[in-house]
Formats: sequence, C-alpha cells, structure tokens
Amino acid sequence: DAKTTQPTSMDCAEGRAANLPCNHSTISGNEYVYWYRQIHSQGPQYIIHGLKNNETNEMASLIITEDRKSSTLILPHATLRDTAVYYCIVKGGTASKLTFGTGTRLQVTL
Amino acid sequence: DTAVSQTPKYLVTQMGNDKSIKCEQNLGHDTMYWYKQDSKKFLKIMFSYNNKELIINETVPNRFSPKSPDKAHLNLHINSLELGDSAVYFCASSQAGTGGDTQYFGPGTRLTVL
Repeated sequence: DAKTTQPTSMDCAEGRAANLPCNHSTISGNEYVYWYRQIHSQGPQYIIHGLKNNETNEMASLIITEDRKSSTLILPHATLRDTAVYYCIVKGGTASKLTFGTGTRLQVTL
Repeated sequence: DTAVSQTPKYLVTQMGNDKSIKCEQNLGHDTMYWYKQDSKKFLKIMFSYNNKELIINETVPNRFSPKSPDKAHLNLHINSLELGDSAVYFCASSQAGTGGDTQYFGPGTRLTVL
C-alpha cells in the first residue's frame, strides 16, 4: 500500500472549517484514500473514503486532486469534539490491512 | 446496538499468565481483524480472518493465537504474557464490495501486564 505524508499537528478555531492535507504521491490506480480519526484512546472512527471523485457525507468532505497524488479532508464547521488524531490511509484490495502512520493531531480551540 | 464489541474493556494480569480477548460484530461482515496500539500510539495490524480463514498474519509472536469460531467472532488468545504485551488491542470488521471495504473498529481492550 502507498505511503502517506501528513502534517504532525494543526489548530482550528471552533466553527471554522478544518482542512487537513495528505500527500500520497505513490498511490496506485486501484487504491482508495481512507480517512479515520481517533479521539483520545477510543477505537479509530471511519470518516470517509474515495477513489478519484470528491466525496461528501454527514461528517466531512474529501477532495482528491485530479492526479490523485494528494487529498484534503474538510470538516466544514469544526467543534471541540472534533479534536483528535486524523489518519489518511491509502489502501487497495479487499480484506487488506490499514497501515496507520502518525496522523495529524487536530486541536480545535474556542 | 453496538456494531463491533470487545470484552473485556480493561484487563490487568501478571506476567506469565494466559488471557483471552473476545470480539463480536453484528454487521454481517465476512472479514475481521486484530490491531495493536502500543504506548507510543502506533497502530499495527496483527491478524485478519476472512470467513474463518486466516489471511493476514503479521510478524507476531506465536504466543498470540487468534481463533474464529464463526464469521461474527474473532478471539485473541495470548499465552505467557510479557510486559511488552501491554497495549490497547482493537478489533475491526469489514465487508468486501464495490467501493472498497471500510473497516469498523471496536472500542478497544486495554491490556496491562504487571
């Protein structure tokens, strides 16, 4: 599975949009981009995933560049409860492992 | 109606003991996983079962033995526990389909070996 690069940490004011970038320049054609987050020591929580089209769900939006070498997770109106470590993971194939990096620690502040 | 559940939530035990952690999913998924998160917060895959068949077995000591009695359950048995086994263990499940196979995680089991 392709490797990803994310900033170590980011801050965001409550109510503002949080834009979390991820580079995955070695992504293969059949690999998806997944985003998970982990709040404190809870289980990783699935947020969103995509292949090449932009995706949106009730939690977030995922913008994938046309060359698929990078993506951005957007939390449109961050709240204090969105403070967590966010992981960008590239994964291909079914029943394959998720390879977690160090992620981005997002701190949402008042 | 918890999707992926684990028991126990906390487990404190002495070195050398044998212990088991249980995982159940009610999502109807056919693949289940065990991940380990160590004290430095790195999350790594340990095992994966698909339809009760082992498909992923990372470099894990053979003191760890997963068992899948059916598709909905994947238990982790650990023999001769060592201090270094202290970690949080997460179970996950997924179902293959078009559009990828999203893994859903349980709440974790915090194992402390004294």
